[in-house]
Amino acid sequence: AQRVTQPEKLLSVFKGAPVELKCNYSYSGSPELFWYVQYSRQRLQLLLRHISRESIKGFTADLNKGETSFHLKKPFAQEEDSAMYYCALSGNNAGNMLTFGGGTRLMVKP
Amino acid sequence: GAVVSQHPSRVICKSGTSVKIECRSLDFQATTMFWYRQFPKQSLMLMATSNEGSKATYEQGVEKDKFLINHASLTLSTLTVTSAHPEDSSFYICSASGAGQSYSNQPQHFGDGTRLSIL
Repeated sequence: AQRVTQPEKLLSVFKGAPVELKCNYSYSGSPELFWYVQYSRQRLQLLLRHISRESIKGFTADLNKGETSFHLKKPFAQEEDSAMYYCALSGNNAGNMLTFGGGTRLMVKP
Repeated sequence: GAVVSQHPSRVICKSGTSVKIECRSLDFQATTMFWYRQFPKQSLMLMATSNEGSKATYEQGVEKDKFLINHASLTLSTLTVTSAHPEDSSFYICSASGAGQSYSNQPQHFGDGTRLSIL
């Protein structure tokens, strides 16, 4: 079985502060990990995925297989980063099926 | 690119009515479409996976006779909530992923969701 855990439902930081949204997963095979973001009143959008190893909007995430984590980080938060963030996992035999974490609401205060 | 259109965005209807929700991929061929349900302040829960031209695969606990899914073409999947009751009120979201040699190259693209309210 595959599981994704986001321990924080809400994370509140001040503008310019570093941000780390935690994500831990459980999967016996080789997973593919994603971060999706949902801004207010907008659809869910892909933010980044571990295989691309790129930085989007200043966010990065590194897959740590030893700790089974895929934490999302940004060195300096901006107010426009305020949104709901979902970590998701796709197994290597799941045909693109995603398992989502519970989500973390990020609030960046001015 | 990779736009998914979901319609309608909001439905309010009486108990016992059947409601159809459409999910279209506008600029790519969606070999696989997914239907999710999201309760307030909760994460997305996968209901079913549908592949074009074949029967949908339902997740445990999802009644296939209640939630009819049709994926007749590479750009359209429909979810019909049959004889809807108040407990079916929820936010339903579809997503689509396209053809590719490897699943890892095809992330899911989401629709805007449909808020269903059964009176």
